[in-house]
Amino acid sequence: EADIYQTPRYLVIGTGKKITLECSQTMGHDKMYWYQQDPGMELHLIHYSYGVNSTEKGDLSSESTVSRIRTEHFPLTLESARPSHTSQYLCASSPWGEGEQYFGPGTRLTVT
Amino acid sequence: AQKITQTQPGMFVQEKEAVTLDCTYDTSDPSYGLFWYKQPSSGEMIFLIYQGSYDQQNATEGRYSLNFQKARKSANLVISASQLGDSAMYFCAMREGWEAAGNKLTFGGGTRVLVKP
Repeated sequence: EADIYQTPRYLVIGTGKKITLECSQTMGHDKMYWYQQDPGMELHLIHYSYGVNSTEKGDLSSESTVSRIRTEHFPLTLESARPSHTSQYLCASSPWGEGEQYFGPGTRLTVT
Repeated sequence: AQKITQTQPGMFVQEKEAVTLDCTYDTSDPSYGLFWYKQPSSGEMIFLIYQGSYDQQNATEGRYSLNFQKARKSANLVISASQLGDSAMYFCAMREGWEAAGNKLTFGGGTRVLVKP
């Protein structure tokens, strides 16, 4: 059973606010990922990390930033939220040597 | 060019019948992996099945099987004996390169399946 958590599950926030989406996993996985998904659409990788102090931008350009100070924690921050950031954000992790990614429940963000 | 193509945006299937979800992929890397995930309306992504490019046999996991046709670059998912709980979005995904090099996945656009009682 995968143990990966995201908070908050739902967030409605006004334009211009700074927000941080939390993601934590208790499996000791080195690799972690953030995906953005619009309703009913495909997932797009926006950030990933292969370990502590390692972060890379994904295939989809994003105004968000990430940090990886601890293995288990991979938060995503939007400095100034805009309506175009309205989407679902999914966090995932995987161990070395395996392809399967374990996903968190997601955060549904609405920026008004 | 799309790396993962799912041509069926949505489909209905009768309960207890089998359904095949199409997935074609595009890569020049000889080593790759193919995944299928299920996403219910609640939003989480549930891993279903994995096929490696060098695997000789088609992958199976319970009611899920993967029809891997390497020459055609297709990796169709077959769900046997459909249940009402199978109603969800289904995504095909690909990892290019060796596992040790990283696990970035590219996803297709998904297929919505609705199982009718």
